[in-house]
Amino acid sequence: AQKITQTQPGMFVQEKEAVTLDCTYDTSDQSYGLFWYKQPSSGEMIFLIYQGSYDEQNATEGRYSLNFQKARKSANLVISASQLGDSAMYFCAMRESHDKIIFGKGTRLHILP
Amino acid sequence: EAQVTQNPRYLITVTGKKLTVTCSQNMNHEYMSWYRQDPGLGLRQIYYSMNVEVTDKGDVPEGYKVSRKEKRNFPLILESPSPNQTSLYFCASSPWTGPGEKLFFGSGTQLSVL
Repeated sequence: AQKITQTQPGMFVQEKEAVTLDCTYDTSDQSYGLFWYKQPSSGEMIFLIYQGSYDEQNATEGRYSLNFQKARKSANLVISASQLGDSAMYFCAMRESHDKIIFGKGTRLHILP
Repeated sequence: EAQVTQNPRYLITVTGKKLTVTCSQNMNHEYMSWYRQDPGLGLRQIYYSMNVEVTDKGDVPEGYKVSRKEKRNFPLILESPSPNQTSLYFCASSPWTGPGEKLFFGSGTQLSVL
């Protein structure tokens, strides 16, 4: 069955340090997409990064990278050089070749000055 | 500007009083979906639609109705709201060419049912 697991409900990280947010997934499909979204305190959902199941290279978008380990079914988000503005809730999501898109329960990230 | 517009942003109502949350997108997207967000539970899919007149249940459809009469609009209807439907609701849309399409989200509707 389709499933997304984020095991870190909350994290505290010092400003300028790198941070890794964990995400594992379960699917029987060969074709799927993995996404990370950021939700700041204002509430909107902001798309950060995407990784396709057939992509051989890890996705990168500026300070964000996705550490994709297909055999382990993990898709961890790495934020380099964290900033105060990175404090937010982060959601991992998966889209399979059919219709459902599921989200994990989220990780609340706090960046400390 | 490409966007998903949800209204209202905030809504307080009483148990049993029918309400509709509207959602409209201007990107000609085939796929539209409703989610509810609750603390500790993440986002859970309520209903989704692959195209006009095509809708299907997500993981938590009980107590909700949807319709897709036009491609741009996908309203969420609560015919008899109850306090356990107090939540933050998001509408989202995307093209549908495969699993690589990201969702575009509305701003959210904070609903309180008293």
